[in-house]
Amino acid sequence: AQSVTQLDSQVPVFEEAPVELRCNYSSSVSVYLFWYVQYPNQGLQLLLKYLSGSTLVESINGFEAEFNKSQTSFHLRKPSVHISDTAEYFCAVREGGSEKLVFGKGTKLTVNP
Amino acid sequence: DGGITQSPKYLFRKEGQNVTLSCEQNLNHDAMYWYRQDPGQGLRLIYYSQIVNDFQKGDIAEGYSVSREKKESFPLTVTSAQKNPTAFYLCGTKSTGGRYNEQFFGPGTRLTVL
Repeated sequence: AQSVTQLDSQVPVFEEAPVELRCNYSSSVSVYLFWYVQYPNQGLQLLLKYLSGSTLVESINGFEAEFNKSQTSFHLRKPSVHISDTAEYFCAVREGGSEKLVFGKGTKLTVNP
Repeated sequence: DGGITQSPKYLFRKEGQNVTLSCEQNLNHDAMYWYRQDPGQGLRLIYYSQIVNDFQKGDIAEGYSVSREKKESFPLTVTSAQKNPTAFYLCGTKSTGGRYNEQFFGPGTRLTVL
């Protein structure tokens, strides 16, 4: 069965520092990979997704993630974070042919001034 | 204004009472989902439906029930059999028309059992 591991439950960083949020998954078939962001007491918003093609995907607000099939990873990175990036980030995986998304337990990113 | 509506945003109930959470969408999506979110646990799938009048259990369906009488609506009932119902509940939708479609989410309902 597929599963998703987010290796860090909390990541504190200073403003303008780089950040990496780690995500590993387990699956024996082809997968689609997603990162969602959640601000307090709100629903989830899609940040970026890997479906096929280029293994490096980018969002409009400076985040990027790289699909690494050999390491079964999909880590999220940003070279310089802002206070407004403070939120909880969820990695999710969907196997090809499945309608179900499997989520990691989330990483709380706190950006300090 | 399109999207997914969940109501109410905050809900309180006494122990032993059933309560129904609303989820309505005007995105014309075929699939709808209910998730439960607890601190540090991520999202866990309760029920999902890919078509009207049909639904499947997710990973934690015990103590919950759903119906899908209309494409736009997928209400979730939290029954008194659910041992620990206090949580944040999220409704999601997805179009099933293509392989690459992502899920969209509503704003959530926070249920507190007193």
